[in-house]
Amino acid sequence: GENVEQHPSTLSVQEGDSAVIKCTYSDSASNYFPWYKQELGKRPQLIIDIRSNVGEKKDQRIAVTLNKTAKHFSLHITETQPEDSAVYFCAASRARGSSASKIIFGSGTRLSIRP
Amino acid sequence: GAVVSQHPSWVICKSGTSVKIECRSLDFQATTMFWYRQFPKQSLMLMATSNEGSKATYEQGVEKDKFLINHASLTLSTLTVTSAHPEDSSFYICSASMAGHYEQYFGPGTRLTVT
Repeated sequence: GENVEQHPSTLSVQEGDSAVIKCTYSDSASNYFPWYKQELGKRPQLIIDIRSNVGEKKDQRIAVTLNKTAKHFSLHITETQPEDSAVYFCAASRARGSSASKIIFGSGTRLSIRP
Repeated sequence: GAVVSQHPSWVICKSGTSVKIECRSLDFQATTMFWYRQFPKQSLMLMATSNEGSKATYEQGVEKDKFLINHASLTLSTLTVTSAHPEDSSFYICSASMAGHYEQYFGPGTRLTVT
């Protein structure tokens, strides 16, 4: 079945440094890859997403890269700040047509930013 | 825009009783709604996908007779946990999507505690 693996499970970085989270997916038909940030007890928030026809996307301090051949995608956060501390989930979806389809989540990465 | 609400935000019930959780899209018509369950310090696990007016599609291992899903309108889906047991205690989160969009919009979640 579909599976998304995420590493590392925990990550601690010094404030101002960069953080990288990596994921792999098993379903080669996946074509939509969202990343979510979740704070304790709250809903997941979409922070960036990428579609399979794009190799890289950037939004201010956040960037995502996708390697379809290797079925890898990564999240890069630069100039980390204390408010970046949260759990981050990668996800993959086989969207059909122009509408949403079920999302398979990775296991999550607990990111801590050290002051 | 694209706001999703859930009610209640938390509920405590006794073992053997049933609990209904509502998920509403407040400012858009949700063609598809998804229900997830999240145990502490774990990822979101998809339980089922529902389309308005159709029977829900349950993920493998999810008991459809225990977790009843109704998607009666384009703005409302309900999840009823029947004959709840302590092991059903979890954080239940819904999401909704609109036609023509890959993105899912998440509700704030409902914390269920079964005593």
